[in-house]
Amino acid sequence: SQQGEEDPQALSIQEGENATMNCSYKTSINNLQWYRQNSGRGLVHLILIRSNEREKHSGRLRVTLDTSKKSSSLLITASRAADTASYFCAFYSGGSNYKLTFGKGTLLTVNP
Amino acid sequence: EAGVAQSPRYKIIEKRQSVAFWCNPISGHATLYWYQQILGQGPKLLIQFQNNGVVDDSQLPKDRFSAERLKGVDSTLKIQPAKLEDSAVYLCASSLKVYNEQFFGPGTRLTVL
Repeated sequence: SQQGEEDPQALSIQEGENATMNCSYKTSINNLQWYRQNSGRGLVHLILIRSNEREKHSGRLRVTLDTSKKSSSLLITASRAADTASYFCAFYSGGSNYKLTFGKGTLLTVNP
Repeated sequence: EAGVAQSPRYKIIEKRQSVAFWCNPISGHATLYWYQQILGQGPKLLIQFQNNGVVDDSQLPKDRFSAERLKGVDSTLKIQPAKLEDSAVYLCASSLKVYNEQFFGPGTRLTVL
C-alpha cells in the first residue's frame, strides 16, 4: 500500500506542551502536506513542504521532511485546547501520479 | 472568499436505494476531488477532475458509483445501488491546480441501513 503511516495513532498532552507527530511513506514524493480535521471546521490544510525542502514553519507549526528516510514530522508548540483534532499527512507521489494519498491520522487531545 | 459547498449534509437511506451528492467548488479552481472517509481512517480519493475531464478514477467502484462535473464547475456524485459498506463521509475538495493545497467542503455523512 502507498498509504502514509502516522505515528502515534493517538496522543494526549496538557495545554502548553509541545506535540510531535510523525509520518512515513514508501514512494518518492512531489510534496507532502499536513491537514487537520475536527468536528467544528472539517478538514483544513495546514502546511505544504516540497520534496526539495527540509523544514518549514507556519505560526506554531514546524514541519520537517527527510526524503532519505521517507519521513516527515509535524511539531505543534505551546499547544492549546483548540488544537484537539485529528492530524493527517498526505503526499503526492512523484512522476505522473496526481493523486493525494492520506495517512490514517493521529488523534491529538490537548487537555486544559 | 466562499468555501467549497456541499449538500446535503446528512443522508440516511436503505441498502439498494440510490443517492446523489452535490458539490460547488471555490470559484476559479480547476481541480475538483471526491473523497470517501470511513470512520477512523483518512480520506480516500474516489475521483479527480481537471476542468471537465477525469484525471483519476482508479478507486471509484464504477459498477455503482458515478460522477460528473458540469461545465467544469459543479459536480455530482451518485451511488446506485447503495451497500451497507458505503456508509461514510463523502468529502468534496478543490484546488487551483494539481499539487496545490486542497480546500475541503463540510462533507455529507451517509448512513446506509
